[in-house]
Amino acid sequence: QKEVEQDPGPLSVPEGAIVSLNCTYSNSAFQYFMWYRQYSRKGPELLMYTYSSGNKEDGRFTAQVDKSSKYISLFIRDSQPSDSATYLCAMGKGGSEKLVFGKGTKLTVNP
Amino acid sequence: SQTIHQWPATLVQPVGSPLSLECTVEGTSNPNLYWYRQAAGRGLQLLFYSVGIGQISSEVPQNLSASRPQDRQFILSSKKLLLSDSGFYLCAWSRTDEAFFGQGTRLTVV
Repeated sequence: QKEVEQDPGPLSVPEGAIVSLNCTYSNSAFQYFMWYRQYSRKGPELLMYTYSSGNKEDGRFTAQVDKSSKYISLFIRDSQPSDSATYLCAMGKGGSEKLVFGKGTKLTVNP
Repeated sequence: SQTIHQWPATLVQPVGSPLSLECTVEGTSNPNLYWYRQAAGRGLQLLFYSVGIGQISSEVPQNLSASRPQDRQFILSSKKLLLSDSGFYLCAWSRTDEAFFGQGTRLTVV
């Protein structure tokens, strides 16, 4: 079983839709969780960072962590064409432990 | 604020030629440094990571190597490139939690 599983998509939605992106993980030692957005031919940029179970909201983006189910989600409200990108989840154990990334979900928001 | 610089942005190299990609970080000290390769549809593959000067861990055996001659400098090298080395190479840094990426180098080996 892979440490982190992420549906690669692709996912295509109309502008204004609510988008749900998800990752599952197997290692309960993961303590913090991130979502990155990567535009084509660019490096990933950190979008959301969470440390505990529950929800964290930032504008149109909400990150949700359920440690009991080993499941994390990113919700995008009122999606825009500019949200079209690949979204990667990542998680870590802290200290000098390296991060583990999902393979990314490619999202297209159609105007 | 911290910034990460990675260059060059694109590179076309012939098979058998050497490679040197450089990454530097500003505004922080003693960062963890990473080299990733990203192939289309295959996600991020961790190649090397370093927790300090001269300390390099290799994740994938191949004809690439990494060095960290200074605290905030990380270099990816190869003595002889293979066609299979083509890809998008990303440098990243972290302290304890979040990682921050450079803009990547698209390497094409011809």
